[in-house]
Amino acid sequence: KAGVTQTPRYLIKTRGQQVTLSCSPISGHRSVSWYQQTPGQGLQFLFEYFSETQRNKGNFPGRFSGRQFSNSRSEMNVSTLELGDSALYLCASSLRDSAQETQYFGPGTRLLVL
Amino acid sequence: QKEVEQNSGPLSVPEGAIASLNCTYSDRGSQSFFWYRQYSGKSPELIMFIYSNGDKEDGRFTAQLNKASQYVSLLIRDSQPSDSATYLCAVRGSTLTFGKGTMLLVSP
Repeated sequence: KAGVTQTPRYLIKTRGQQVTLSCSPISGHRSVSWYQQTPGQGLQFLFEYFSETQRNKGNFPGRFSGRQFSNSRSEMNVSTLELGDSALYLCASSLRDSAQETQYFGPGTRLLVL
Repeated sequence: QKEVEQNSGPLSVPEGAIASLNCTYSDRGSQSFFWYRQYSGKSPELIMFIYSNGDKEDGRFTAQLNKASQYVSLLIRDSQPSDSATYLCAVRGSTLTFGKGTMLLVSP
């Protein structure tokens, strides 16, 4: 069974631009979560989707948004990029959004904002 | 603010020794607990999960949970140089909250 895939793997943008990242979950998984990882802050939760509905949202500004499609694929968008948005963005999928479901991570998208 | 605390390390152990990694959490409503391993430049991979108080063993790994003390640990027996990585503790309440990780260095 194929794992979680994320595209693109690397991205360079300039301040003020916007970016869209894509995540395809493991086949059969209906829950997708997004995280931002930086050296200083570690892994921070962005949002969680299940069956096209946002179930939870982390403490990030409104510039960060996401959505999930009927095939469980998910996208996240960051508008008006800032230098501090440079990070590894990780997507994780699980069968359901319950507490005991294990989340499996994709390889991540490394975003550099210049 | 739900917090998960880990010693950043590095924790240095010789090959063959037992490595002990610790984690405390603030949310008493947390229901499940996970340990992930992350190699430099890679994404986190699941090592173990534990839901109930006590010990859970899987090969060289043992997870220990004490909900009363809000404490979870990971023991790695017979540590190998390939175990050198950052170990992330994650705690699930309404969302999955990660600690900042402990770097483990196993020297040959």
